[in-house]
Amino acid sequence: DAGVTQSPTHLIKTRGQQVTLRCSPKSGHDTVSWYQQALGQGPQFIFQYYEEEERQRGNFPDRFSGHQFPNYSSELNVNALLLGDSALYLCASSFVGGVYNEQFFGPGTRLTVL
Amino acid sequence: GQQLNQSPQSMFIQEGEDVSMNCTSSSIFNTWLWYKQDPGEGPVLLIALYKAGELTSNGRLTAQFGITRKDSFLNISASIPSDVGIYFCASPPRIFGTGTRLKVLA
Repeated sequence: DAGVTQSPTHLIKTRGQQVTLRCSPKSGHDTVSWYQQALGQGPQFIFQYYEEEERQRGNFPDRFSGHQFPNYSSELNVNALLLGDSALYLCASSFVGGVYNEQFFGPGTRLTVL
Repeated sequence: GQQLNQSPQSMFIQEGEDVSMNCTSSSIFNTWLWYKQDPGEGPVLLIALYKAGELTSNGRLTAQFGITRKDSFLNISASIPSDVGIYFCASPPRIFGTGTRLKVLA
């Protein structure tokens, strides 16, 4: 049973560029949430996708956008990258139809903006 | 806004000692999850709590959901070097705690 997978593992971009990160949820899960984790901080909620729609959003600007595909996988897009966007980006999946809201995380994508 | 405060922020302990950490909130939550994160990796779910007063164990780990639903604690018994890491409490998907950094001295 594959867990949550993310790609790429590491990424280096320059200011102003755009980046796309990818996530495949755990088998049987239909909901994907994205988080930004700066060094030494806890994960900060970006948004959550379910049924191919953004259902909840944290306090992040519109430069952060996403998409969920029919197979439940998801992408996170960040436009006009800033130095402050350097962080570990985590994807977590869950099953909205389940009784409990347990989330399982992927290994993350380390984004460095130069 | 809602937030989860964890204490202590960091702790050094000797191998074999028991560890206790707390998570508190000014708001009521219906679900509390405890995660452990190793450097450069994603958090791993340790224990999930759903009912006020619930006490749940997972091996050497024990966690309790406070009666008021505003707090939780996590205990680790007989710590070992691989317990090193950052422990987060969370009420998914929006809210994560500030983390407790645990270092175990062999």
